[in-house]
Amino acid sequence: DVKVTQSSRYLVKRTGEKVFLECVQDMDHENMFWYRQDPGLGLRLIYFSYDVKMKEKGDIPEGYSVSREKKERFSLILESASTNQTSMYLCASGIQGTETQYFGPGTRLLVL
Amino acid sequence: AQTVTQSQPEMSVQEAETVTLSCTYDTSESDYYLFWYKQPPSRQMILVIRQEAYKQQNATENRFSVNFQKAAKSFSLKISDSQLGDAAMYFCAYKGNQGGKLIFGQGTELSVKP
Repeated sequence: DVKVTQSSRYLVKRTGEKVFLECVQDMDHENMFWYRQDPGLGLRLIYFSYDVKMKEKGDIPEGYSVSREKKERFSLILESASTNQTSMYLCASGIQGTETQYFGPGTRLLVL
Repeated sequence: AQTVTQSQPEMSVQEAETVTLSCTYDTSESDYYLFWYKQPPSRQMILVIRQEAYKQQNATENRFSVNFQKAAKSFSLKISDSQLGDAAMYFCAYKGNQGGKLIFGQGTELSVKP
């Protein structure tokens, strides 16, 4: 079975803090994705990566950056957290060419 | 730009009965993929079923099946013999050949009554 794990299920941070959200997959997938999910807005793509050290902007990259130093790990970074970044963050991975994405359990982030 | 629309914010079904969730999409591409994901209260997004647009045969996965109408750009999910564990938010999603992202609908909240 594909397993995608995220470092925290719940996280509370202060405005201005630097926040790291970690995602790890154990299936040697090339593709990894970060989405955020908000009521009424659905899921929106923040960033994705097709390979190590490669990254592409999604629909809402502002205020975020990413890092992919190893194939199995894709990190989402909030350089200076703001209250409007309070959300559910979902990581996904997939094999290039198969189009299917497998999701982690999500991280619910609250920025105070 | 591609869009995905789920017109039913909420649906309800009696246990053991059948329910159909609707999804329409808009695209100018001829080759693409469609998915149904389930998100239970645990918030884990779980793949239910996928359909390749070039395949005319509707995908089936145990109690879950789809009715894929390419010309009408419709992709409905049928759940047979509904179980209490089927209660969740269901998302329809589209993936084209340009770029890696999934485009999601707004979701349909399914409740199952015992």
